[in-house]
Amino acid sequence: EDQVTQSPEALRLQEGESSSLNCSYTVSGLRGLFWYRQDPGKGPEFLFTLYSAGEEKEKERLKATLTKKESFLHITAPKPEDSATYLCAVQEVYNQGGKLIFGQGTELSVKP
Amino acid sequence: NAGVTQTPKFQVLKTGQSMTLQCAQDMNHNSMYWYRQDPGMGLRLIYYSASEGTTDKGEVPNGYNVSRLNKREFSLRLESAAPSQTSVYFCASNLGEGGRGKLFFGSGTQLSVL
Repeated sequence: EDQVTQSPEALRLQEGESSSLNCSYTVSGLRGLFWYRQDPGKGPEFLFTLYSAGEEKEKERLKATLTKKESFLHITAPKPEDSATYLCAVQEVYNQGGKLIFGQGTELSVKP
Repeated sequence: NAGVTQTPKFQVLKTGQSMTLQCAQDMNHNSMYWYRQDPGMGLRLIYYSASEGTTDKGEVPNGYNVSRLNKREFSLRLESAAPSQTSVYFCASNLGEGGRGKLFFGSGTQLSVL
């Protein structure tokens, strides 16, 4: 059964304190791994797609990496505006219709 | 360009009442989805429509029905609401051919069933 597990469930950082979020996945064949950001009361907002092991993507203070079993979202020198829930999701090669399987999310809080 | 639009934003129902959640996208996307989000459970797929004229069950379809009215619109119906259906519901759409690519989400409907 396809599974996506994120850790930690919650992370509290001081402004400028770099850290990483983890996403472990089990799928028959990976078509793509997606990272989303979700602010309270809003829908998930797309950040990155990774397709193959070794791939990396960057956007401002965020960097996503991918291995055959997990993905990391590295946050460098975070600011309070980076506070949000970060969701990881996988798209499996053999599924129909492009649906995503989501992890539970990591709630990030960055204090000034 | 509105993207994915959901209505209503908030709804309170009594047990046994019925209602329809509406979703429309203006991006000419082929695939559309309904997810529910509960604390500690993440986003779970209820139903999806890979293309106009088709619908399929997701992970948690019981108690729900869907209609792909046309390429733009995909509605979710609760025929007899239950407290277990209290949740935040998100509609999403996907352009990619064969289902590739990222999903675009609406802003959600917060539903409470008393």
